[in-house]
Amino acid sequence: DAMVIQNPRYQVTQFGKPVTLSCSQTLNHNVMYWYQQKSSQAPKLLFHYYDKDFNNEADTPDNFQSRRPNTSFCFLDIRSPGLGDAAMYLCATSSRDANEQFFGPGTRLTVL
Amino acid sequence: GENVEQHPSTLSVQEGDSAVIKCTYSDSASNYFPWYKQELGKGPQLIIDIRSNVGEKKDQRIAVTLNKTAKHFSLHITETQPEDSAVYFCAASHTGTASKLTFGTGTRLQVTL
Repeated sequence: DAMVIQNPRYQVTQFGKPVTLSCSQTLNHNVMYWYQQKSSQAPKLLFHYYDKDFNNEADTPDNFQSRRPNTSFCFLDIRSPGLGDAAMYLCATSSRDANEQFFGPGTRLTVL
Repeated sequence: GENVEQHPSTLSVQEGDSAVIKCTYSDSASNYFPWYKQELGKGPQLIIDIRSNVGEKKDQRIAVTLNKTAKHFSLHITETQPEDSAVYFCAASHTGTASKLTFGTGTRLQVTL
């Protein structure tokens, strides 16, 4: 089945220790998104790639970066995680000419 | 930018009853309105969507209505079942090269036996 896969599902890191979350998709979609979702809140868009074109949201902290080495994979790098970065991180994809976004299962990040 | 308001924040219904969740949006250029269901510990799942050129769409027990003039849209779930219990998010966007969704604040639906 075509899908969006996120690894790991649960990630524990220490305060200030860099961490990388990964997302892969078999949908062959052009657009990939990273969202942050804190408890009882709506997903908040961090950035998205349209093919290799990177688009950062204005209020995304500099601490967050992303890489998309090819169509299928996208990574979220958190350079120096703080306690406030503990959240669920969601990856989503959409095709070039369609609005529908398909989400992965998320990675829950804990910062100790 | 777009702003989406969603009500109620929590909703409890008895099994078999109907549930209605309402959203309003601010940007008249928005033309795509999806609804997502999110179960605990999982990613949001698209359950139904509507585009601005139609007023209503139905898929089995769920339906969405859109009033463009009033800038509001609603999710209707009939014959609710315990497995409908989840958090539901509405969202709005407009067609573009990359669809950026603005989400509502979510509604926690509890279906009781």
